[in-house]
Amino acid sequence: AQSVTQLGSHVSVSEGALVLLRCNYSSSVPPYLFWYVQYPNQGLQLLLKYTTGATLVKGINGFEAEFKKSETSFHLTKPSAHMSDAAEYFCAVSDLSTNAGKSTFGDGTTLTVKP
Amino acid sequence: GAVVSQHPSWVICKSGTSVKIECRSLDFQATTMFWYRQFPKQSLMLMATSNEGSKATYEQGVEKDKFLINHASLTLSTLTVTSAHPEDSSFYICSLGQGNQPQHFGDGTRLSIL
Repeated sequence: AQSVTQLGSHVSVSEGALVLLRCNYSSSVPPYLFWYVQYPNQGLQLLLKYTTGATLVKGINGFEAEFKKSETSFHLTKPSAHMSDAAEYFCAVSDLSTNAGKSTFGDGTTLTVKP
Repeated sequence: GAVVSQHPSWVICKSGTSVKIECRSLDFQATTMFWYRQFPKQSLMLMATSNEGSKATYEQGVEKDKFLINHASLTLSTLTVTSAHPEDSSFYICSLGQGNQPQHFGDGTRLSIL
């Protein structure tokens, strides 16, 4: 069984400030981890993924995340927030033992960026 | 460009009617597709896994007779909400599964039942 917990359903930052969105996971096997972004009335867009190898992964739009096995975390960061980053963010986990590509999603974090 | 095309993007219909939502894979052979439902301000809830050429696998609590899934070809999966009622109003999203790769999502269908 696997699960994802996103700490903080709402995060508000000022434009130019650091963005930190928290994600902790639970998985009985080595996890594959993903961050997705969702804009209103749209599907999900992949920001970045961790499968194996380097634990610090870089994604689109300046986002990056670090896989920390000891902390079972995969927090998403961006050094400087932009107004266009305001959206809903979902962390997801999957593993090879599940149905092909099946993922479990966190409850999401709404990011607000203040001017 | 888009990998998955979902249609329609918005549907408004009367209670009791059936609504079909299409999900097309544009670039890949889609042996597996997923159907999700998302209520406002909530996460995606997996409804079913659509398997090409075989019956869909439904998640616990999802009525298979209510939400009919057909995946007859490698490029198309459809979800039909039968005898829809206001409580079925939601945002429905499909995605293409590719093993351990991240999913490609459609743009979703906003279903409003009056």
